Amino acid sequence: AQSVTQLDSQVPVFEEAPVELRCNYSSSVSVYLFWYVQYPNQGLQLLLKYLSGSTLVKGINGFEAEFNKSQTSFHLRKPSVHISDTAEYFCAVTGTSGTYKYIFGTGTRLKVLA
Amino acid sequence: DTEVTQTPKHLVMGMTNKKSLKCEQHMGHRAMYWYKQKAKKPPELMFVYSYEKLSINESVPSRFSPECPNSSLLNLHLHALQPEDSALYLCASRPLTSGGGETQYFGPGTRLLVL
Repeated sequence: AQSVTQLDSQVPVFEEAPVELRCNYSSSVSVYLFWYVQYPNQGLQLLLKYLSGSTLVKGINGFEAEFNKSQTSFHLRKPSVHISDTAEYFCAVTGTSGTYKYIFGTGTRLKVLA
Repeated sequence: DTEVTQTPKHLVMGMTNKKSLKCEQHMGHRAMYWYKQKAKKPPELMFVYSYEKLSINESVPSRFSPECPNSSLLNLHLHALQPEDSALYLCASRPLTSGGGETQYFGPGTRLLVL
């Protein structure tokens, strides 16, 4: 079984400052990792995903994430945030063995302040 | 076309009503999902269809009845719902490949209010 922990329920940050949203996972099998963003009153949109290879993954809107197997983490970062980045961010995992299920973390609300 | 559409956007229904939610995608994805999302919570899996057959039912009450009439369409039939069923209902789809790690594409959701 897998689980995902997003310890920070809310992260306030000033515009143009860097931000890191934390995600830790637990799994007895190999996993694929995802970050999704959800803007108000919308569905989820993929930011980036890690399947294999380079542990630094670049996504849309200037976001990147680093897979750390030893720390079972997949933290999301952006060097300079904009007001428009205000949204809910979900980390998710799925097993590599053909499962249909995606396990989501509880989400982190990023609030960018002017 | 990487879009999943859902209708209606909003729905208000009484506890004795019967209504249906509709989801459509034309990306050729053979896995389709229904999720329920309460405010400030992550999506909660309800059903998964693969190749138009029900693969996963996460012990969802029978007042929710899914249907996948073809590879592009997914319905969720609602009957005798309770106020606690009020939520955002999200549809998602993904391709089925041997490699795994496929991205789920989400629709914008139907916001349901049960009175």
